[in-house]
Amino acid sequence: GAGVSQSPRYKVAKRGQDVALRCDPISGHVSLFWYQQALGQGPEFLTYFQNEAQLDKSGLPSDRFFAERPEGSVSTLKIQRTQQEDSAVYLCASSLDWALTDEQFFGPGTRLTVL
Amino acid sequence: ILNVEQSPQSLHVQEGDSTNFTCSFPSSNFYALHWYRWETAKSPEALFVMTLNGDEKKKGRISATLNTKEGYSYLYIKGSQPEDSATYLCAFIGLTGGGNKLTFGTGTQLKVEL
Repeated sequence: GAGVSQSPRYKVAKRGQDVALRCDPISGHVSLFWYQQALGQGPEFLTYFQNEAQLDKSGLPSDRFFAERPEGSVSTLKIQRTQQEDSAVYLCASSLDWALTDEQFFGPGTRLTVL
Repeated sequence: ILNVEQSPQSLHVQEGDSTNFTCSFPSSNFYALHWYRWETAKSPEALFVMTLNGDEKKKGRISATLNTKEGYSYLYIKGSQPEDSATYLCAFIGLTGGGNKLTFGTGTQLKVEL
C-alpha cells in the first residue's frame, strides 16, 4: 500500500537559494507533521497541520521557514535564503486522526545539504 | 524544554546476542511513549505506542517495557540478527502543552555483526 512519500529525496542548494520540499501523506490522514533532524540529533518538531489548518508552527526556526497544506493533503515546506545550518534531514509524517496515541507514519525524508 | 534521553548512543553486538536500550523521559506530564526503528535510507517504522505504567509490549523478538513513575522505558531485542541493525528512537508525548507532536531522543544506533 502507499505510504508517505517525500520528494526530492536529496537536495543540494547553494547558500541563499530557496528550496521547496514536498510531502504526500497517506490518503485520508488528517494530521501532518514536519520534523527536522540535524546530524547526530533526534528529529525535532517543526510544524503541524490538521487538514489544511496549521495549528502549531512553534518549531519553525525562523521566518525563512514556511509550510502549507492548502487542500488538506499534500504539504510543502519552503525554506527561503537557505543557510548552512539548514542542512538536515526533513521528515514528514501523517496520522489518521489527531489522538495523542495515533501512530505517526513517516516518509523517508529529504536530505538537504546547503553549500 | 523536554529532555528525552537514550542510552547507549551506539552499540555493536554479535549475531545471536540479546541487547537492550534505555529511554528516559519526564515522569510528570506523561501521556505516551513511541518507539521507532529507522534503517538507513528508509522511513522510520513504528514499533510500539505505550501509555500505561507497567505496560509490556512484544513484536517478534523485540519487546518494550514502560515505567511512567520513574520515567524510563526499555527496549529489548532477543537473539539479534543483522537485519536488526538500525537506529532505535523513542519519542515522548506530554499530556499538556505539546499537542500530539513527538519529542524524540537522540536514538541508539545498533550494529549487529555476523
